[in-house]
Amino acid sequence: AQSVAQPEDQVNVAEGNPLTVKCTYSVSGNPYLFWYVQYPNRGLQFLLKYITGDNLVKGSYGFEAEFNKSQTSFHLKKPSALVSDSALYFCAVRRPSYFNKFYFGSGTKLNVKP
Amino acid sequence: GAVVSQHPSWVICKSGTSVKIECRSLDFQATTMFWYRQFPKQSLMLMATSNEGSKATYEQGVEKDKFLINHASLTLSTLTVTSAHPEDSSFYICSAYWVRKTEAFFGQGTRLTVV
Repeated sequence: AQSVAQPEDQVNVAEGNPLTVKCTYSVSGNPYLFWYVQYPNRGLQFLLKYITGDNLVKGSYGFEAEFNKSQTSFHLKKPSALVSDSALYFCAVRRPSYFNKFYFGSGTKLNVKP
Repeated sequence: GAVVSQHPSWVICKSGTSVKIECRSLDFQATTMFWYRQFPKQSLMLMATSNEGSKATYEQGVEKDKFLINHASLTLSTLTVTSAHPEDSSFYICSAYWVRKTEAFFGQGTRLTVV
């Protein structure tokens, strides 16, 4: 079965400090990996994705993610958090297949305090 | 970036009535669209995969007669909640898959409240 795990329901960090939001996956084959952000009552906004190539992927708003195949992880990172980064973050994987179906993690609420 | 427009953003309806939600890809063609449901403080639950010109594929446990999906064109998919009940109240999000970008782009979501 395909699955995505975000072990932390919530992450608290002070503004200016680095942040990490964790994601591990269990998907057969070579999945595509994604991070999305959701603000209250809004749809998901794409942050970044990993398809192939360099394990460190840079995305929108200063976020980056590191793909680790041996640990099947795709953690989201940012060197210096902003209060405006506070939102709900979802990790997602897609197995290249006919239906192009996405599997989402349970989400991690990021709280950045001034 | 690609824009997916979902309409309406919010709707209140009476029990027993039907509600239609539209999902449009504004600047690309989407042969595949997805409909998700999100409960408060929970992740997105895939309801169905909508393929242009053919019947939608529903996930296990989703009533196809209650959640009617139509994907009549490459830029429009609709979700109709039939005979709505208060337990159908939720946040519904659509996404459209752009093959060339290998990305799914999401609509802003629809907050449905059934009273």
